[in-house]
Amino acid sequence: IAGITQAPTSQILAAGRRMTLRCTQDMRHNAMYWYRQDLGLGLRLIHYSNTAGTTGKGEVPDGYSVSRANTDDFPLTLASAVPSQTSVYFCASSDNPTDTQYFGPGTRLTVL
Amino acid sequence: GQNIDQPTEMTATEGAIVQINCTYQTSGFNGLFWYQQHAGEAPTFLSYNVLDGLEEKGRFSSFLSRSKGYSYLLLKELQMKDSASYLCAVRDGDYKLSFGAGTTVTVRA
Repeated sequence: IAGITQAPTSQILAAGRRMTLRCTQDMRHNAMYWYRQDLGLGLRLIHYSNTAGTTGKGEVPDGYSVSRANTDDFPLTLASAVPSQTSVYFCASSDNPTDTQYFGPGTRLTVL
Repeated sequence: GQNIDQPTEMTATEGAIVQINCTYQTSGFNGLFWYQQHAGEAPTFLSYNVLDGLEEKGRFSSFLSRSKGYSYLLLKELQMKDSASYLCAVRDGDYKLSFGAGTTVTVRA
């Protein structure tokens, strides 16, 4: 079944550790996005990529980095995790930036 | 940036109708989306409005007034499976989505 996969499903991480959240889509969508969802705040855009080889900063990019080496994969890296990065992280994709976004199942990250 | 407001919670009875309002202030506007999110799951796309008026899709309808910065999602013939959070999202002039905090709808038997 076509769609977006994320790994891991959940993770508990010690503060200061490096962590990469993986996102893969098989729909050949050009645009991909990373959001975090926190209670009472809704989804907030961290980083995005309109096409392979390009990335951009969203609303809350500090402490996160991304890369887009190919169309299918869009990993999100926390270089040195802090407790405030405890959240549920959703990856999304759209055919183009002007199209509807579809979301992956999410990664629940806890930083202690 | 965007300012998107929607009620935190709503409760309704099975078979009834519920209307979820969303107001927004935006710098540039390229459409408004409604997503449904069941607890512990991903948001799923429900509807999209870019022009004023009503879009109907089965039991769900969405309305937009751009001049008033206002939208609503109407859920008819409520079913227990409609218990979920409903997220209003506005797409800005750069085609980036900003989300409201979501409205949790509880359907009672």
